[in-house]
Amino acid sequence: GDSVTQMEGPVTLSEEAFLTINCTYTATGYPSLFWYVQYPGEGLQLLLKATKADDKGSNKGFEATYRKETTSFHLEKGSVQVSDSAVYFCALLSGGSYIPTFGRGTSLIVHP
Amino acid sequence: EAGVVQSPRYKIIEKKQPVAFWCNPISGHNTLYWYLQNLGQGPELLIRYENEEAVDDSQLPKDRFSAERLKGVDSTLKIQPAELGDSAVYLCASSFSGGDHNEQFFGPGTRLTVL
Repeated sequence: GDSVTQMEGPVTLSEEAFLTINCTYTATGYPSLFWYVQYPGEGLQLLLKATKADDKGSNKGFEATYRKETTSFHLEKGSVQVSDSAVYFCALLSGGSYIPTFGRGTSLIVHP
Repeated sequence: EAGVVQSPRYKIIEKKQPVAFWCNPISGHNTLYWYLQNLGQGPELLIRYENEEAVDDSQLPKDRFSAERLKGVDSTLKIQPAELGDSAVYLCASSFSGGDHNEQFFGPGTRLTVL
């Protein structure tokens, strides 16, 4: 079945540092890939997505590229802020499915 | 535009007691989802509704969990009786079928603690 593997957290960075959160997936066919963010006490919000190989999703300075050859969708940001502190979930949605498969989440803590 | 609304935000009960959660989806969204999120985990689907019909409830523990969406809008998820292992965050999400890759919009969740 489908699965998503994320790097374990927490990831602790200083403000303005470069961020990478790794995500790899296993799926049949050509899934759509997503990153969600969950701020403390809130629900998940869609951060960015990519629907086919080599697509780059981007939003709020975050970006991720759909790499079919390595089955990866790593999240990156060039300069993190304290306000980016949250839990980040990688997810995939197989064609024809309504239910995403989520990773376990990676907690990001950014210090001033 | 209001997002997905859930209530209560927090609930503490003793084991064996009943509990109910309420969700109001985004206006016009015909698909509604209930997810369970354990600490340190991603959401896991409990049930999905298309309008008022439950179309995917294979992961719902039907011996103690029930859900309804009578008019195809609001939904209620109930647990009776609650067990210690039910402590988790219960997330509601909604989407418009036929929209952009069925993008789901999540509510803030209800954090349940069973003592």
